[in-house]
Formats: sequence, C-alpha cells, structure tokens
Amino acid sequence: AQSVTQPDIHITVSEGASLELRCNYSYGATPYLFWYVQSPGQGLQLLLKYFSGDTLVQGIKGFEAEFKRSQSSFNLRKPSVHWSDAAEYFCAVGAGSGSARQLTFGSGTQLTVLP
Amino acid sequence: NAGVTQTPKFQVLKTGQSMTLQCAQDMNHEYMSWYRQDPGMGLRLIHYSVGAGITDQGEVPNGYNVSRSTTEDFPLRLLSAAPSQTSVYFCASSLGRKYTGELFFGEGSRLTVL
Repeated sequence: AQSVTQPDIHITVSEGASLELRCNYSYGATPYLFWYVQSPGQGLQLLLKYFSGDTLVQGIKGFEAEFKRSQSSFNLRKPSVHWSDAAEYFCAVGAGSGSARQLTFGSGTQLTVLP
Repeated sequence: NAGVTQTPKFQVLKTGQSMTLQCAQDMNHEYMSWYRQDPGMGLRLIHYSVGAGITDQGEVPNGYNVSRSTTEDFPLRLLSAAPSQTSVYFCASSLGRKYTGELFFGEGSRLTVL
C-alpha cells in the first residue's frame, strides 16, 4: 500500500521569502502525485499534479513541485511567499491507473506567513 | 455552479444517535467519496462510489454506511455514533474512473459526538 510522509508539521516563513514543503512517498510503481491546499474552514483545492513526463510541474498561485524518483520525493516550492499563502498543505499519492480518486494523503504541513 | 455541497456544516450528536451527512454535486461526476480529517492524520478515505448503484469501502469504513441511488447524491450514514467519529468530514467528487485528474471537495461537515 502507498503512503505519504510530510516531515514538517508546521513551517513559518516571512512574506517574500522562498518556501519549500517536503513530501516523501512510498509506492512500488510510478505514482500519481498531488499537492492540495486547505484554507481555514474550507475544503481542499488542487495546487498541482504529476502523472508523467517533465518532473518539474507548475501549478496555480505560483507554486511548483519537482518529482525526484531516486529520493521518492515531491517537494512543493514557491520563490516568494505572500500572506495569502498561509494555509495547510497536503501532499497525496494515487496508485494505479484512473486512481486519482484513491488518494492517500499526508498528515499536512501548516504554513504561517509573517508580515 | 455550486460544485460539491455538504450539509449540515456543523452537528453535535450524543453517543448512540444516528444521522446522515448529505453530499450533492452538480458537475455530473461519476466518482464520489467521503473522507474524514483528524488532526495530525491527514484525510482518510471512508467510502467511495464510481457510479450510481456502486459503492465500496475505503481505509476506515467501520461505523459508516453509504448508498448511491443517483449520480448527484452520496449520503454518509452514521448508524450509532461514537466519540471516535468526532471529526471533520469531506465529500469529494471527480469525473470518473478513467480520468486521473483532481478531486473537487466540499467545504466539510464538522461532527462532534458527546
């Protein structure tokens, strides 16, 4: 069975600083990988996804993520954080084909942005 | 478009009571699912459905029932609530089994079982 680890429970950055959120996954084959964001009191929204091809994927709101098979990682990055980026971020892995629905989520990383 | 609509947003139950969390989507999505979110544990899949009349268990199905009589609706039933079911519940949908795209989430239903 697949699993996802987000090592950082809480990260604090200053507005304008760069950001990297870590995600490691465990899965025997090529995974489908996702990053979702959850604002307070809201549901989750997809930031970006990786299925195949270019290992650097671009998402909404200026986020990007890089798939590194050798490290089983899919870290999320943003060059300059805005106060509105404060939220909880979830990495997720989907197994097999047509299986975005069978997602396994990490435990989340809470991002605080200082003015 | 309303997207995925969940009701109620908040509910308090006593142990042993039953209730149904409602989920409706207006995007003609084949796939619908229920997750629960608990602090430090991310989201865990409870039940899912790949179309009307078809349901299956996820990672944590015990204590929950579902049915899918229409494409639009996917209610989650708690037959005898327990304090361990205190959680935030999310309904999510997507286009279908051959589409590996995103899940669309509702805003969540916060359930407290006393």
